[in-house]
Amino acid sequence: SQTIHQWPATLVQPVGSPLSLECTVEGTSNPNLYWYRQAAGRGLQLLFYSVGIGQISSEVPQNLSASRPQDRQFILSSKKLLLSDSGFYLCAWSYGRGNSPLHFGNGTRLTVT
Amino acid sequence: RKEVEQDPGPFNVPEGATVAFNCTYSNSASQSFFWYRQDCRKEPKLLMSVYSSGNEDGRFTAQLNRASQYISLLIRDSKLSDSATYLCVVNLLNNAGNMLTFGGGTRLMVKP
Repeated sequence: SQTIHQWPATLVQPVGSPLSLECTVEGTSNPNLYWYRQAAGRGLQLLFYSVGIGQISSEVPQNLSASRPQDRQFILSSKKLLLSDSGFYLCAWSYGRGNSPLHFGNGTRLTVT
Repeated sequence: RKEVEQDPGPFNVPEGATVAFNCTYSNSASQSFFWYRQDCRKEPKLLMSVYSSGNEDGRFTAQLNRASQYISLLIRDSKLSDSATYLCVVNLLNNAGNMLTFGGGTRLMVKP
């Protein structure tokens, strides 16, 4: 069966510090991978998605970036965090074929102080 | 207009009640539809897909109305454990494959 791992679970970082969140998927090949953010009391915002190694599409321009160095690894990064980057970050995967639902990791709760 | 709209609630219902949520979507080319459940401070989890003919999973029934561009979720015999936020999700396929858009969620609180 497929599993998705995301870490760390919680993170407190000062403004201006770098960020690296990692996500890996097991049990499937060539999945679509996604990074979402959910601000407190708000809906899910798609940040990045990837349909293959090295292929990244950005939905929202900001100081975050994503990379997919391996088929089942997705990394979310920032060189300098802003206060507004605080939120609940969720990695997800889906099958590459159409009409497939998303399956989420446990999420990372980031607080920028 | 938002792509996917939901009444944020909260819906406060007693145990055993039947409750229904609606969700409207703006893009008529949307291909597939899902309901997710999200507990406080947790990740969303797939509750059920929504099929054109309507589908049922135990106490949960989902329906799709393409003509009016809405989907619904009916929960019968509500349990305390049903308290959560229910997210409507619409999939618009493009060249990149799946492009899922989430509604803001409807919060349900089931009271004893």
